[in-house]
Amino acid sequence: EVQLVESGGGLVQPGRSLRLSCAASGFTFDDYAMHWVRQAPGKGLEWVSGISWNSGSIGYADSVKGRFTISRDNAKNSLYLQMNSLRAEDTALYYCAKDKIIAVAGSDAFDIWGQGTMVTVSS
Amino acid sequence: DIQMTQSPSTLSASVGDRVTITCRASQSISSWLAWYQQKPGKAPKLLIYKASSLESGVPSRFSGSGSGTEFTLTISSLQPDDFATYYCQQYNTEESTFGPGTKVDIK
Repeated sequence: EVQLVESGGGLVQPGRSLRLSCAASGFTFDDYAMHWVRQAPGKGLEWVSGISWNSGSIGYADSVKGRFTISRDNAKNSLYLQMNSLRAEDTALYYCAKDKIIAVAGSDAFDIWGQGTMVTVSS
Repeated sequence: DIQMTQSPSTLSASVGDRVTITCRASQSISSWLAWYQQKPGKAPKLLIYKASSLESGVPSRFSGSGSGTEFTLTISSLQPDDFATYYCQQYNTEESTFGPGTKVDIK
């Protein structure tokens, strides 16, 4: 079964850091670009960051650029999001998601999503 | 950045109704558009990719059309399971963006 399982969320104070992880199974992880998408409580979806299959191409939303770092370990079938200098507005459910097409140049639709991990930034 | 808008923001409909949701991009995205369905407490589910291609396992009552800057998602005959929020997403650029969503609720 194709599956993505996020972990690492929690309650954190403003200005502190948190590292999210996403464990992939059921597909050849290093064939696909991966992404983080977040959803603030009661709000819509916001693409946060994406990384190509070989980590050669990385992108960030303007709202997190310079504070968040995406990475992957293909040997461990895992995706990560290092979040620094967290703000109240980063409070959200963070999903990892998989590109639909193998090793596509650029971006693609997201065909598999995890269930998300909640990040709450509050003092 | 490419901005996405959706209309309406909320749509009240009955079972059996034909439903159409519109998504507009601030600049041309060719056909690089996807539609997702999200139910409360659940992850989004891919319905349509490349503007009009139906994802495997998605009922044929869902269809997508459009290119350039204007796109539509149509549900030909609304079913009880279809009451949810629908999002469009452009992936013409590496920095993907989502529309604000359209909530389909029971009339």
